[in-house]
Amino acid sequence: DAKTTQPPSMDCAEGRAANLPCNHSTISGNEYVYWYRQIHSQGPQYIIHGLKNNETNEMASLIITEDRKSSTLILPHATLRDTAVYYCIVRVGYGQNFVFGPGTRLSVLP
Amino acid sequence: GAVVSQHPSWVICKSGTSVKIECRSLDFQATTMFWYRQFPKQSLMLMATSNEGSKATYEQGVEKDKFLINHASLTLSTLTVTSAHPEDSSFYICSASSPLTGDNQPQHFGDGTRLSIL
Repeated sequence: DAKTTQPPSMDCAEGRAANLPCNHSTISGNEYVYWYRQIHSQGPQYIIHGLKNNETNEMASLIITEDRKSSTLILPHATLRDTAVYYCIVRVGYGQNFVFGPGTRLSVLP
Repeated sequence: GAVVSQHPSWVICKSGTSVKIECRSLDFQATTMFWYRQFPKQSLMLMATSNEGSKATYEQGVEKDKFLINHASLTLSTLTVTSAHPEDSSFYICSASSPLTGDNQPQHFGDGTRLSIL
């Protein structure tokens, strides 16, 4: 699976949009981009995934660049409960495990 | 949405005992489940891939005789830590996904089991 690079930490003010970047410059054509988050002492929670089009669900939006070498997860109105470690992962498909990097520790500040 | 349940969520036991952790897919069948381990302030590390009806595949450096994996049905995989020692204390997490809805479907993770060996 392609390696991803994320900033180790970010702060965001409560109520503002949190934009979390991810670099995956070696991604191949059939690899999807997945985002998960892990709140302390819990298992990772699925947020969103995409291949090449931008995606939006009730939790977040995923913006993937046209060359697919990077993406941004957007939490439109961050709350204190969004404080977590966010992981960006690329994977080719079913049956393949997820390879977790160190992720980005997002702190939402009041 | 898909739910994966782990049990127990927390266990403390004496050194030398064996501990079994269960991972269940509650509303879908999973031919493949994954077991991860996470030490404090570190990311998740894959331990093994659990395949229904066949032997598990272990990652390099993971002792298969110490971490016994059984995937006897399409909804249940178990991880048994045999003769546990303090260095086995960690957060163990499983994941699974359904193959029936497309091969790009996300893995869903259990809430983890915190194992503390005294």
